[in-house]
Amino acid sequence: GENVEQHPSTLSVQEGDSAVIKCTYSDSASNYFPWYKQELGKRPQLIIDIRSNVGEKKDQRIAVTLNKTAKHFSLHITETQPEDSAVYFCAARKEYGNKLVFGAGTILRVKS
Amino acid sequence: DTEVTQTPKHLVMGMTNKKSLKCEQHMGHRAMYWYKQKAKKPPELMFVYSYEKLSINESVPSRFSPECPNSSLLNLHLHALQPEDSALYLCASSLPTSGNYNEQFFGPGTRLTVL
Repeated sequence: GENVEQHPSTLSVQEGDSAVIKCTYSDSASNYFPWYKQELGKRPQLIIDIRSNVGEKKDQRIAVTLNKTAKHFSLHITETQPEDSAVYFCAARKEYGNKLVFGAGTILRVKS
Repeated sequence: DTEVTQTPKHLVMGMTNKKSLKCEQHMGHRAMYWYKQKAKKPPELMFVYSYEKLSINESVPSRFSPECPNSSLLNLHLHALQPEDSALYLCASSLPTSGNYNEQFFGPGTRLTVL
């Protein structure tokens, strides 16, 4: 089955700096890659996603890149703010399936 | 209505109790999910219902029993749980995937403590 690895497990950055979180997946049949943000005590919320027919997607300060050949995708947050502090999960899913496979998560701390 | 709601928010139960968790959505989604999440860990899929039929059971112990009475409701019946079952139980819903790239919307979760 699919396996998603996520690095780093924790990341501390200074406010205004950029943060990058990386994930690799094992199943070449996966073609949908969402990123979820989960604040303490809150529900996971989708912040951005990418389909396998796209190499990069951007939404304001957040961007995701996908390298299908290498089977890895990354989340980029620019101009980080304290409210970006949360746990971030990457995930992967196949086209004809309901099952999301999550990475282990990255705790992002933005220091002001 | 663009939310998934869950009740109760918190639940404390003994190992001999029977309780139920409830989830509701009115977004017209036909896929609904139960996840278990331990602290600082990712959500772990338990069950998936698609068009009110159980489509995925991730080898969950029988002390957890899901039910989907209609397209808007999802229940998780709990019986004879163990302390290690204490966790945040998340419900989610989405349009059926079937080739579409459909976002899963999560509910706020039920914080379960088994004594």
